[in-house]
Amino acid sequence: NAGVMQNPRHLVRRRGQEARLRCSPMKGHSHVYWYRQLPEEGLKFMVYLQKENIIDESGMPKERFSAEFPKEGPSILRIQQVVRGDSAAYFCASSHGQGANEQFFGPGTRLTVL
Amino acid sequence: AQTVTQSQPEMSVQEAETVTLSCTYDTSESDYYLFWYKQPPSRQMILVIRQEAYKQQNATENRFSVNFQKAAKSFSLKISDSQLGDAAMYFCAYRSARGETSGSRLTFGEGTQLTVNP
Repeated sequence: NAGVMQNPRHLVRRRGQEARLRCSPMKGHSHVYWYRQLPEEGLKFMVYLQKENIIDESGMPKERFSAEFPKEGPSILRIQQVVRGDSAAYFCASSHGQGANEQFFGPGTRLTVL
Repeated sequence: AQTVTQSQPEMSVQEAETVTLSCTYDTSESDYYLFWYKQPPSRQMILVIRQEAYKQQNATENRFSVNFQKAAKSFSLKISDSQLGDAAMYFCAYRSARGETSGSRLTFGEGTQLTVNP
């Protein structure tokens, strides 16, 4: 049973470009979470999605960031017009449900903005 | 809002010795879950141990155990017989048990970098 897949593992973008980060949850998981880890910091919650629905986006910056989890295919975190401050590791996690259900993390995507 | 504090940015331990990592949290809720995650240099987040707040018994997983003090809002991790492979960044995390929205996110501390000396 494959774990949470994220791609690309490393992404380099110039300021003003768009970054698209993909996350495929574990088989059977319908809950996806995105976290951001700035250098030397802990992970910060960004958004929680279930299939075709955004449940909680309270941690997402109001501008330039968006997320989706379509009925078919991976979850996408999109960052438009990237700036240097967006450079970070972005982690996706998935779970079978809420509460005590463990969130399984992907390996992360390291975004570098030049 | 819940907050998680790890007051030890760095810790070191000799191989085969025991080390305790501290974590405190702030919440007004009575039902929640607490976690310790390990992040080795590969950056993969690995769940080490989990504690349900309604359980008085401290969780244990092989060489890893916790000291959960609910009244003090303290959740420390003890690693016994430390091994070189234990070297990593350790994160304490909180998760509410209520609600479809707030009950799902993990709130992490800033982490403790553990070094294991041979």
